[in-house]
Amino acid sequence: QVHLVESGGGLVKPGGSLRLSCEASGFAFSDCYMSWIRQAPGKGLEWISYISSSGSTMFYADSVKGRFTVSRDNAKNSLYLQMNSLRVEDTAIYYCTCYMGLNWFDPWGQGTLVTVSS
Amino acid sequence: SYDLTQPTSVSVSPGQTARITCSGDALPKQYGNWYQQKAGQAPVLVIYKDNKRPSGIPERFSGSNSGTRVTLTISGVQAEDEADYYCQTADNTGSSVVFGGGTKLTVL
Repeated sequence: QVHLVESGGGLVKPGGSLRLSCEASGFAFSDCYMSWIRQAPGKGLEWISYISSSGSTMFYADSVKGRFTVSRDNAKNSLYLQMNSLRVEDTAIYYCTCYMGLNWFDPWGQGTLVTVSS
Repeated sequence: SYDLTQPTSVSVSPGQTARITCSGDALPKQYGNWYQQKAGQAPVLVIYKDNKRPSGIPERFSGSNSGTRVTLTISGVQAEDEADYYCQTADNTGSSVVFGGGTKLTVL
């Protein structure tokens, strides 16, 4: 059974930091490019980053570049997102997903909610 | 950057065919992918590489690409198909990813 489980979301003040985790099981995590995608309340999907299978290459959307850092630990089948200098507009559900063929996303985790508010 | 444009909503009666379009200048050169998102749930891939269906997705879901437009077709719509549907594409480096704004499918 393929499974992705995100954790680490919560309420944080503007300017604060948060670290999200995503634990994978049921598939070859170390072979998978991984991505983070977010969805603001009532809004559409926004891709924010991906990391190569080895962890040597990362890309970010302009909206988070310089503030967010993606990393992975293949020995622990885990993906991370370090979020610094958080803004109100970063409030969203954050999903982790495998970036198949550097083209489509499958499977997806259930998401973790990040709320940035004073 | 570039955009993908979807209709905000589509309504069909059970048993009818629903067609959801997605337009964008990049689509002649890039594959279109489709995701279904039911209320309160994570997205699920239903079509990839324009017209490929993942295992476990019903045969009533199909996709096509006609240049600057990709289309998701749901034949014989069922009540359980009511959801938001998003198209998505990526450039050949994978570093430029775009989602359409989403289409709410209502089954009357």
